[in-house]
Amino acid sequence: GAGVSQSPRYKVAKRGQDVALRCDPISGHVSLFWYQQALGQGPEFLTYFQNEAQLDKSGLPSDRFFAERPEGSVSTLKIQRTQQEDSAVYLCASSLAGELSKPYEQYFGPGTRLTVT
Amino acid sequence: GQNIDQPTEMTATEGAIVQINCTYQTSGFNGLFWYQQHAGEAPTFLSYNVLDGLEEKGRFSSFLSRSKGYSYLLLKELQMKDSASYLCAVLDSNYQLIWGAGTKLIIKP
Repeated sequence: GAGVSQSPRYKVAKRGQDVALRCDPISGHVSLFWYQQALGQGPEFLTYFQNEAQLDKSGLPSDRFFAERPEGSVSTLKIQRTQQEDSAVYLCASSLAGELSKPYEQYFGPGTRLTVT
Repeated sequence: GQNIDQPTEMTATEGAIVQINCTYQTSGFNGLFWYQQHAGEAPTFLSYNVLDGLEEKGRFSSFLSRSKGYSYLLLKELQMKDSASYLCAVLDSNYQLIWGAGTKLIIKP
């Protein structure tokens, strides 16, 4: 398919363990976003890339969270020393920045459900 | 602070019409989105409004009043597959999407 893919779909980590979540955006999409979604809540912004540049990381909850997109395509969200409050679904979205008809439509991946025990 | 309000849950009958409201207070406004999210799945785009008025797209319509900080999503001829959460999100002055908590819509036969 040509959609946004994320892996793994489910991850169980012991408290204190490091995890890495991968996002493959739609080919050619310039913008990439990471969100955190708690159960019954809307997504909360974490960080934003335009190509390989991380233009906004204001939503990252602590310095344990780190994201990269080194070649402007695949992105990885890394969480170090996981805590129970990190348990959530992590959504990745990509956008074809500058598209005239739907200027800011974001296409979401299926998410990674992280459970920290 | 920034705030998006929408009802937590609504129930409607198959074949009927339902209106889901959203009010917002954000730092700047560059458009309002509605997304549909089925349980355990990713949000999917429904509509985008940046000017006042009604945008109609098939069974779904979205309305915006910028002066009132208000939008609604109107769903007609409800089908069982419309059971989902409906998320309102505003693009603020930094072009960051601010999301509501979502309205869970339950459709009964």
